[in-house]
Amino acid sequence: KNEVEQSPQNLTAQEGEFITINCSYSVGISALHWLQQHPGGGIVSLFMLSSGKKKHGRLIATINIQEKHSSLHITASHPRDSAVYICAVHQGAQKLVFGQGTRLTINP
Amino acid sequence: DGGITQSPKYLFRKEGQNVTLSCEQNLNHDAMYWYRQDPGQGLRLIYYSQIVNDFQKGDIAEGYSVSREKKESFPLTVTSAQKNPTAFYLCASTGTSSTGELFFGEGSRLTVL
Repeated sequence: KNEVEQSPQNLTAQEGEFITINCSYSVGISALHWLQQHPGGGIVSLFMLSSGKKKHGRLIATINIQEKHSSLHITASHPRDSAVYICAVHQGAQKLVFGQGTRLTINP
Repeated sequence: DGGITQSPKYLFRKEGQNVTLSCEQNLNHDAMYWYRQDPGQGLRLIYYSQIVNDFQKGDIAEGYSVSREKKESFPLTVTSAQKNPTAFYLCASTGTSSTGELFFGEGSRLTVL
C-alpha cells in the first residue's frame, strides 16, 4: 500500500461541475502540497497546507490532520482545469512522498 | 522573475553514454531535488541536497550522480549504469523551512535510442 493514496485516479466531468479530489496518507507529516501538472509536464504548486483550509480563486484545499486526509475542490470547473493533480506530503526533514496523481478532464 | 530552469527540455542519448541535465534556480533556495517520473507512476526521488557541497541519495539513486558546488545549481548526470534511463526528469527546490513552498522546473525528457 502506498503511503499516499489519491482518489479517483481518473475523473471526467462537464464544464461547470464541482470537482473533488481526495488524498489519504498513512504517515506523520509536517505539511501537504497540492500540485498541478499540465500535459507539457511542468508542475505548479497550488497549495501548501498544515491545517485547516485554503482558498485561491476557484480552488479550495482542506486538510484533516487527525483523519490524515485532504481534499482539493474546484468550483465551476473549466476545460483549462484539465490536468493531473498530485498530492505530496512532507515527511520529516525535506522528504516528500507523492501520490500517483488524479487525471482530471473537463469537457466543454 | 524567480524560478527554476531546466535544460535541455528534450534529450536523446545512445546506450552507453552519460548525459547531464541542468537545473538552475534563482530563488535563493537551500534545498534542491531531482525526481524521475514514469508513465502512470508518481514522482520518485533520485537525489536531494539541503546545502551546498552536500547531497543525499533518494529512493532510486543507482545509475545517477549529482553535484552541488553552487547554491543555484544542482546538475544530474544519468550514467551508462542506469539500466532504464528513458523517463521525464523534474528538478525542484524549497526554501530553508522543511515545509517551504515547492517550485518545479519544466522538466527534461530523456530518451535512450
